[in-house]
Amino acid sequence: SQQGEEDPQALSIQEGENATMNCSYKTSINNLQWYRQNSGRGLVHLILIRSNEREKHSGRLRVTLDTSKKSSSLLITASRAADTASYFCATVGQNFVFGPGTRLSVLP
Amino acid sequence: DTEVTQTPKHLVMGMTNKKSLKCEQHMGHRAMYWYKQKAKKPPELMFVYSYEKLSINESVPSRFSPECPNSSLLNLHLHALQPEDSALYLCASSPQRGGNTEAFFGQGTRLTVV
Repeated sequence: SQQGEEDPQALSIQEGENATMNCSYKTSINNLQWYRQNSGRGLVHLILIRSNEREKHSGRLRVTLDTSKKSSSLLITASRAADTASYFCATVGQNFVFGPGTRLSVLP
Repeated sequence: DTEVTQTPKHLVMGMTNKKSLKCEQHMGHRAMYWYKQKAKKPPELMFVYSYEKLSINESVPSRFSPECPNSSLLNLHLHALQPEDSALYLCASSPQRGGNTEAFFGQGTRLTVV
């Protein structure tokens, strides 16, 4: 069953711009994770943020978590054409449950 | 080795066929998952094995039958599938079920039922 809801569903930006994707969820979580999926391939883990953390950085990625609002955001700074992919948040309790995803297109 | 290997990569089968999807990992993970993903949709959880025991079955039709022969292998047996079962089937593993660790995904099997 899906829990997270991503916003926007599709996002198109120019290279060099920042991309922000949001995720909302409904139940309690141990942590929230973001994954990337290139077309028709497996998912790749990007970053994990624990329920007691508010912000985390990894390279050009910045993730925030607001457990009071049950929401998270993923910011990709200085985007590149190679960042074009689908991005999913996953809420993790007993299982990994994925939101609907955001399809990001970065235009050269 | 941080890979999850799925075979075959592509599979076309008729509605009366029996086939199996295979998944293998050698990371010592004790949780393994099968997901189904339709185009432009997120992965949907089908089965979870934790310590080689089936933990949940998300009301998946009986034409899908999982098997975990040992801690490194996961199979998905397919029988009498319908065209709407055509999808990308993803296998994943994690050290424990859920928890504060990431899941590792295979590249998937693209299944077409004709």
